Amino acid sequence: AQRVTQPEKLLSVFKGAPVELKCNYSYSGSPELFWYVQYSRQRLQLLLRHISRESIKGFTADLNKGETSFHLKKPFAQEEDSAMYYCALQGSTLGRLYFGRGTQLTVWP
Amino acid sequence: NAGVTQTPKFRVLKTGQSMTLLCAQDMNHEYMYWYRQDPGMGLRLIHYSVGEGTTAKGEVPDGYNVSRLKKQNFLLGLESAAPSQTSVYFCASSYGTTLTWQFFGPGTRLTVL
Repeated sequence: AQRVTQPEKLLSVFKGAPVELKCNYSYSGSPELFWYVQYSRQRLQLLLRHISRESIKGFTADLNKGETSFHLKKPFAQEEDSAMYYCALQGSTLGRLYFGRGTQLTVWP
Repeated sequence: NAGVTQTPKFRVLKTGQSMTLLCAQDMNHEYMYWYRQDPGMGLRLIHYSVGEGTTAKGEVPDGYNVSRLKKQNFLLGLESAAPSQTSVYFCASSYGTTLTWQFFGPGTRLTVL
């Protein structure tokens, strides 16, 4: 079975502080993982794909197969990072993504 | 390109009424999806389609029907709306097997009284 767990519903940090949004997955095969971001009342946007190993808006995420994790990190949070973040897994059913329940990040000034 | 668009943006229904939500994409994507988003539940897949004329059930298909008569359109129908179907509905599309990330529409906010 495929499953994505985001253990924190809510996460608050101050501007300039480091932030880490946790994502753990359950999948026996080789996973493809994504982070999506949703700003207030907007559509979901793709933030990162693990296969591209890129940094977008200062965010990075590393796939750790041993710990089955794909945590999202940013060294210095900004107020504009406040949003809902979803971790998603592409599992065995091609084209189908399994989403976590999301973490609402608030960055205080 | 408009990307993924959804019609309508908002709708209020009474219990028992029916309606159809329209999703359109202009990216020539093979795959299309309907999700519902509820507080604390994240995104749950209702139905999806891997090509014109095909549909498949997702995680929460009961009470919904879909059709994909044209590649660019994916319709979500509620035959007899219930208050439990009050939600924000998102449509998404993707190229499919090789480029799997999904592009989302702006959402439809549906309230069933």
